[in-house]
Amino acid sequence: DTGVSQDPRHKITKRGQNVTFRCDPISEHNRLYWYRQTLGQGPEFLTYFQNEAQLEKSRLLSDRFSAERPKGSFSTLEIQRTEQGDSAMYLCASSLVAHTIYFGEGSWLTVV
Amino acid sequence: DQQVKQNSPSLSVQEGRISILNCDYTNSMFDYFLWYKKYPAEGPTFLISISSIKDKNEDGRFTVFLNKSAKHLSLHIVPSQPGDSAVYFCAASEPQGGSEKLVFGKGTKLTVNP
Repeated sequence: DTGVSQDPRHKITKRGQNVTFRCDPISEHNRLYWYRQTLGQGPEFLTYFQNEAQLEKSRLLSDRFSAERPKGSFSTLEIQRTEQGDSAMYLCASSLVAHTIYFGEGSWLTVV
Repeated sequence: DQQVKQNSPSLSVQEGRISILNCDYTNSMFDYFLWYKKYPAEGPTFLISISSIKDKNEDGRFTVFLNKSAKHLSLHIVPSQPGDSAVYFCAASEPQGGSEKLVFGKGTKLTVNP
């Protein structure tokens, strides 16, 4: 499978714990994106990397959220001190050209 | 303020008939539009896109129409098949503004009945 890979697919955590999601983009895609989707809503943009540089961040990305792409390949999204409102599907996407992006299957986060 | 609106939460059609999904936008700076399909518990899958310099783009059973003056686009699926049953998201971007962000609507759930 050469699509965008996300891990873990499901995560249940207690409020206040930290969680980390990993994304492996399609090989050779230099652009990588994180989105969040809650029930009944469309995906909402969180952040964008071109290679290892984080070029764009949404105001949705509070101080508790941090994303990295250290070598321009895989990326991690960490949420510190999780809150119940963080419960959502976290989607990673990648692309070679701007604006047509290909999503992974998502990582479900449930904060209890 | 929602910049991309899909006003129909759901649509039901018979197999073999046409499905028409609609999308409106408010930001006149949007000039690239996409449709994604999403099955439950999966990520969205890219379907088709259109640039604002065109008013129509076709790919197999899927056609997207863009009416810039009305700030409206639609996705036509002909003929509809049961496997098309999914949630369809309209998305827009503003390439000239330098942002790589896609803005999505809330989606329309399409059910194609055999």
